[in-house]
Amino acid sequence: DAGVIQSPRHEVTEMGQEVTLRCKPISGHDYLFWYRQTMMRGLELLIYFNNNVPIDDSGMPEDRFSAKMPNASFSTLKIQPSEPRDSAVYFCASSGLAGGPQETQYFGPGTRLLVL
Amino acid sequence: AQKVTQAQTEISVVEKEDVTLDCVYETRDTTYYLFWYKQPPSGELVFLIRRNSFDEQNEISGRYSWNFQKSTSSFNFTITASQVVDSAVYFCAQGSNTGFQKLVFGTGTRLLVSP
Repeated sequence: DAGVIQSPRHEVTEMGQEVTLRCKPISGHDYLFWYRQTMMRGLELLIYFNNNVPIDDSGMPEDRFSAKMPNASFSTLKIQPSEPRDSAVYFCASSGLAGGPQETQYFGPGTRLLVL
Repeated sequence: AQKVTQAQTEISVVEKEDVTLDCVYETRDTTYYLFWYKQPPSGELVFLIRRNSFDEQNEISGRYSWNFQKSTSSFNFTITASQVVDSAVYFCAQGSNTGFQKLVFGTGTRLLVSP
């Protein structure tokens, strides 16, 4: 079975440019999470969706960040404009309904973003 | 508020040694979930185990074993006869049954296994 798919795997961009990260969750999972990992702050939850609806975006650092989930099989995380401090690894994860064995979050391979 | 503490920042062992990674959690929830994830040098996060708060049985999977003790709020991870391929950062995490599973991660323990 395919796991969580993320693209691109690596992104290098210049400050001020728009960056779009993409995620395809595991089929049948109805929760999707976006995390950011940095050396300084570790793993941080940015936002999560349930049935394509954003539930909690309190971790989104600022208005430059936005996330969408237009359907059950696709989500984007957009940074506009990007800044060097956004450089990090961004992970997407998905899970099924709470209360069952599917509630484990399964992570994608991550997108390593470098903003110059 | 939930909190997960992994006090060991880095551990170095020689191959075939046993090693235990510590994890201490804090929560006021009566039902919660504990996880271990592995992050090898390639960078992906790999799920290892999930444990429910009402199941204190220890678990063994090959060379891996987990010791869950509610009395000390600990969920420790032991690798027996470590191998170079075990070198990675290991994260302990906690999820709550309140609301939804917002995982709280520890800061990770970097394990270096040398030949």
